[in-house]
Amino acid sequence: DTGVSQDPRHKITKRGQNVTFRCDPISEHNRLYWYRQTLGQGPEFLTYFQNEAQLEKSRLLSDRFSAERPKGSFSTLEIQRTEQGDSAMYLCASSLLRTNMNTEAFFGQGTRLTVV
Amino acid sequence: SQKIEQNSEALNIQEGKTATLTCNYTNYSPAYLQWYRQDPGRGPVFLLLIRENEKEKRKERLKVTFDTTLKQSLFHITASQPADSATYLCALVPGYSSASKIIFGSGTRLSIRP
Repeated sequence: DTGVSQDPRHKITKRGQNVTFRCDPISEHNRLYWYRQTLGQGPEFLTYFQNEAQLEKSRLLSDRFSAERPKGSFSTLEIQRTEQGDSAMYLCASSLLRTNMNTEAFFGQGTRLTVV
Repeated sequence: SQKIEQNSEALNIQEGKTATLTCNYTNYSPAYLQWYRQDPGRGPVFLLLIRENEKEKRKERLKVTFDTTLKQSLFHITASQPADSATYLCALVPGYSSASKIIFGSGTRLSIRP
């Protein structure tokens, strides 16, 4: 297992187009997180899953954003009708929830989205 | 409102000195805090975790303290080296449940000059 992988690494899209990102977590991890990060800021929480269940979605996230983790393994994050303000690094992380306590999060390299 | 604040956006210190980074939180009662390192263009990497009943945790040249009364964690790098230059993020799990999401501060960019 080589860690958390994200695809693609970079995506340039025109405003109004839909984009989809994929995240493959560490195989035994039951928690999966999506974050968004802009320059000079920390990762901003978007949503997270435990196995296939989406437990929480940030109130800052518009209806244009949707995430799935259909079989409790890989996850996809879709952004519909992209706007220039969506340009950011999208980070995926996974962790193992053990005896009701989170362990540390392992991050992927991120997907850099540029909306032109 | 709930906040995680890290002291200055950037910190510059001389090689060999101790770097001290601060993380303050408001309106949270975390069961534990985590510290991560992030290099440009890469995802954060976990460094240390400290629980609420632990006052101090060490790992090699790193030391973390956690004061639940002050609602503050301090992160120290002793004998700093230019290779320690990076952004350091504190993170916590908000609320009483330790099984909730992980949220991050905005980070402190540390530069170690030779």
